[in-house]
Amino acid sequence: NAGVMQNPRHLVRRRGQEARLRCSPMKGHSHVYWYRQLPEEGLKFMVYLQKENIIDESGMPKERFSAEFPKEGPSILRIQQVVRGDSAAYFCASSPRDNFSGNTIYFGEGSWLTVV
Amino acid sequence: GENVEQHPSTLSVQEGDSAVIKCTYSDSASNYFPWYKQELGKRPQLIIDIRSNVGEKKDQRIAVTLNKTAKHFSLHITETQPEDSAVYFCAAPTFTGGGNKLTFGTGTQLKVEL
Repeated sequence: NAGVMQNPRHLVRRRGQEARLRCSPMKGHSHVYWYRQLPEEGLKFMVYLQKENIIDESGMPKERFSAEFPKEGPSILRIQQVVRGDSAAYFCASSPRDNFSGNTIYFGEGSWLTVV
Repeated sequence: GENVEQHPSTLSVQEGDSAVIKCTYSDSASNYFPWYKQELGKRPQLIIDIRSNVGEKKDQRIAVTLNKTAKHFSLHITETQPEDSAVYFCAAPTFTGGGNKLTFGTGTQLKVEL
C-alpha cells in the first residue's frame, strides 16, 4: 500500500511565478489535509478537503493560495505570484475518515518550495 | 478552536536518560492525541497515539499519558538513544463545521548526547 505521494519533492520558482503542488492520498483515504512548515517552525494547518469539497480553509492566506481535490486525480495546492515568504515545506496528509473518531493522519514526504 | 501548547521547546539529555515532553490543549471535546517525530528534512511520522478512553499507553521505550481533567498529555521516552534526536510534535483535533483537523504544538527539539 503506497503511502501519501507528493510531487514535486523540490521546486524552485522565481518571484511572481506559480507553484503547483500535487498530493495523492493513501489508497482508501478520502480526506486530505495540507500543512505548511516554515524553516525551523511547526506545522501550520492550511486546508482540509474531501473529494470535490473544501471542508475547512481557515488556514489559507486570503490571496494567491487555492486548493482543490477533484473527483479524479490528486489534490492540488496552487500558489500564484509566489514571494520569498512562501518558501517552505508543504506537507500533505490523508486519513480514511473524518478525524473526529481519532483516525490517524499520515503525511507525505513533503514538497520543498524555494522562491528565488 | 483548539489551542495546543507544548513544552519545552528544546531538550538535551544524556544517552540512557529519560525525556519528557508535555502538551496542553483547550478543547475539552478532544478525544485523540497523537505524537509525531520529525527528523531533519523528513516528513512527520506518527510514533504513538492515545484515545481519551485510556490514561496511558506504552510501546517499548515510548509511553504517552493523558489527563483529561487537566487537559494535558505527555510523551515519555526512556533509555534515550542518539537516534531519538529529532523534533517531536504533539497534536489534538480541532472540530470544524464539516469535520475536523489536527492542530499541532510548536514542537520540541530533542537532542540526545553521547
